[in-house]
Amino acid sequence: DTGVSQDPRHKITKRGQNVTFRCDPISEHNRLYWYRQTLGQGPEFLTYFQNEAQLEKSRLLSDRFSAERPKGSFSTLEIQRTEQGDSAMYLCASSLGSEPGDTQYFGPGTRLTVL
Amino acid sequence: AQKITQTQPGMFVQEKEAVTLDCTYDTSDQSYGLFWYKQPSSGEMIFLIYQGSYDEQNATEGRYSLNFQKARKSANLVISASQLGDSAMYFCAMRELNTGRRALTFGSGTRLQVQP
Repeated sequence: DTGVSQDPRHKITKRGQNVTFRCDPISEHNRLYWYRQTLGQGPEFLTYFQNEAQLEKSRLLSDRFSAERPKGSFSTLEIQRTEQGDSAMYLCASSLGSEPGDTQYFGPGTRLTVL
Repeated sequence: AQKITQTQPGMFVQEKEAVTLDCTYDTSDQSYGLFWYKQPSSGEMIFLIYQGSYDEQNATEGRYSLNFQKARKSANLVISASQLGDSAMYFCAMRELNTGRRALTFGSGTRLQVQP
């Protein structure tokens, strides 16, 4: 039973460039989440998908951020016109919905550095 | 609005001893879930233990137990028989179960260092 995977693990980009991250959830998990974590803080929620539908978005998800889950399996998070403030760890999680509390299982994260 | 407070930025514990990591929460929802995650230096968030607000027993998972005091709105994590591999950041998180929202709200974390 493989866990949540994310690609790439690290990304260094120049300010103004676009970046895209991929997340593959645990097989059969129909719920997928994106979080952002800056240094010294806990993760902050960005968005949530149930199957292919994006059902919840945080105010943190500015118009430069877009997330998709086209076939209800993997998801992508794109950041356009990156800014230095976008430097953070981007974490993906998935859940099945049937466990107590609908526990979310996290991937290893993508660390973004914007120069 | 829900809020999680972890007041201990860092904790030290001797190997084989027990340690308690504090977590207090605030919510107006009567039904909620509390979670603890471990984050090693590699970055992955590892789920440890879950407590539902209506669970009558304190949750336990191996060496992890949750000291849940509903009236005090606290959900402290107890790690027994600490091991060197327990050195990591620990995050308390909560989700309100009646709102339909799926987002977890996290505290700022506690860095635990286990000393030999």
